[in-house]
Amino acid sequence: DSGVTQTPKHLITATGQRVTLRCSPRSGDLSVYWYQQSLDQGLQFLIQYYNGEERAKGNILERFSAQQFPDLHSELNLSSLELGDSALYFCASSVATGTSGGSPYNEQFFGPGTRLTVL
Amino acid sequence: SQQGEEDPQALSIQEGENATMNCSYKTSINNLQWYRQNSGRGLVHLILIRSNEREKHSGRLRVTLDTSKKSSSLLITASRAADTASYFCATDVTSGGSYIPTFGRGTSLIVHP
Repeated sequence: DSGVTQTPKHLITATGQRVTLRCSPRSGDLSVYWYQQSLDQGLQFLIQYYNGEERAKGNILERFSAQQFPDLHSELNLSSLELGDSALYFCASSVATGTSGGSPYNEQFFGPGTRLTVL
Repeated sequence: SQQGEEDPQALSIQEGENATMNCSYKTSINNLQWYRQNSGRGLVHLILIRSNEREKHSGRLRVTLDTSKKSSSLLITASRAADTASYFCATDVTSGGSYIPTFGRGTSLIVHP
């Protein structure tokens, strides 16, 4: 158990709908990352939040948005869903964002994922 | 595009044999990490090697890093059926002051009992 929780575990919805995925990081971790994993694209970084603020953006579609709340949990909102959005969505947490210079990267702890199926 | 790419895409071996997976990357890095993912589950961190290190061990795992060739390898010795999983390398990519781990597509390892 990584200490990162994600809900729901499975989500089945129709095209055009909107869903919200939720993530609670490990106790004490300030950074939350969202990833999308699909068979054809592999594990793609979507977005990172640190202590409530957006810190880095990856291959996140405009239809997708995220936020991190004062209690540090995060939500990923997916709207106008398309068939191609079907994937596993993971969040991960780490202690810090990193700093410039040196060896900044901290180990990430992944949640169990939310499997989204768009019909 | 992926920063790191694992090779082979799939590997099938017998229990007790060694498994070697390789990772190549494109740009300079601070760290390289290896993760493991059991089918449909979250990734689990295995080992981190810094850019100034050449080799690192953790139990039955041995990781090497060759920054001149921009490549790393993960060796699992005396494999077990429980090692069956996908293995990913991740390199850090700088983005706005943050270091974002960027994953390859993974090597799928099957260890037959």
